[in-house]
Amino acid sequence: AQSVAQPEDQVNVAEGNPLTVKCTYSVSGNPYLFWYVQYPNRGLQFLLKYITGDNLVKGSYGFEAEFNKSQTSFHLKKPSALVSDSALYFCAVRVLHGSSNTGKLIFGQGTTLQVKP
Amino acid sequence: DTGVSQNPRHKITKRGQNVTFRCDPISEHNRLYWYRQTLGQGPEFLTYFQNEAQLEKSRLLSDRFSAERPKGSFSTLEIQRTEQGDSAMYLCASSFRGAGYSPLHFGNGTRLTVT
Repeated sequence: AQSVAQPEDQVNVAEGNPLTVKCTYSVSGNPYLFWYVQYPNRGLQFLLKYITGDNLVKGSYGFEAEFNKSQTSFHLKKPSALVSDSALYFCAVRVLHGSSNTGKLIFGQGTTLQVKP
Repeated sequence: DTGVSQNPRHKITKRGQNVTFRCDPISEHNRLYWYRQTLGQGPEFLTYFQNEAQLEKSRLLSDRFSAERPKGSFSTLEIQRTEQGDSAMYLCASSFRGAGYSPLHFGNGTRLTVT
């Protein structure tokens, strides 16, 4: 069965420092991987996706993610964190049932990013 | 593109009452999803529509839950005889099935509190 895991409940980083939010996945076949961000009392906003191609994917707001097939990881990164990046971040994987593609996503449990001034 | 719209934003109800939520997807999107999110957890899949057809339902969706998308546009999610365990944020998302892969676009959710 497909799944994603986010091993850290919370990540703390100082403003201006690089940040990494970790995600590992388990899928059969080629993975479609995603990162979403959620601000309080809001829905999820799409940040970036990996479908195929370059292992380093660039997304919104200066975020990027590195796909590593051998380590089954898809960590979210940003070279210089902002206080406004503080939010809840979710990693997700597309689910496939045989040849059926519903586009459905399974989400990790989320990681709270706290950026301090 | 006005985004995915969900109403109401908040609903407080007493145990045993019925509630209905509405989702208006992005207009050209033919896929619609309902998810449930409890505090400290990631969203959990409930059900999926392609146009007006409900093609998949999670085991989380008990008999008290029903969802419709009658004309392939807006969708409703009804919970009958609500229980305190139904308290959660209910999220709707939509996407377009076509060439390539379209990510899910989420609404801001309906927060349900059952007292």
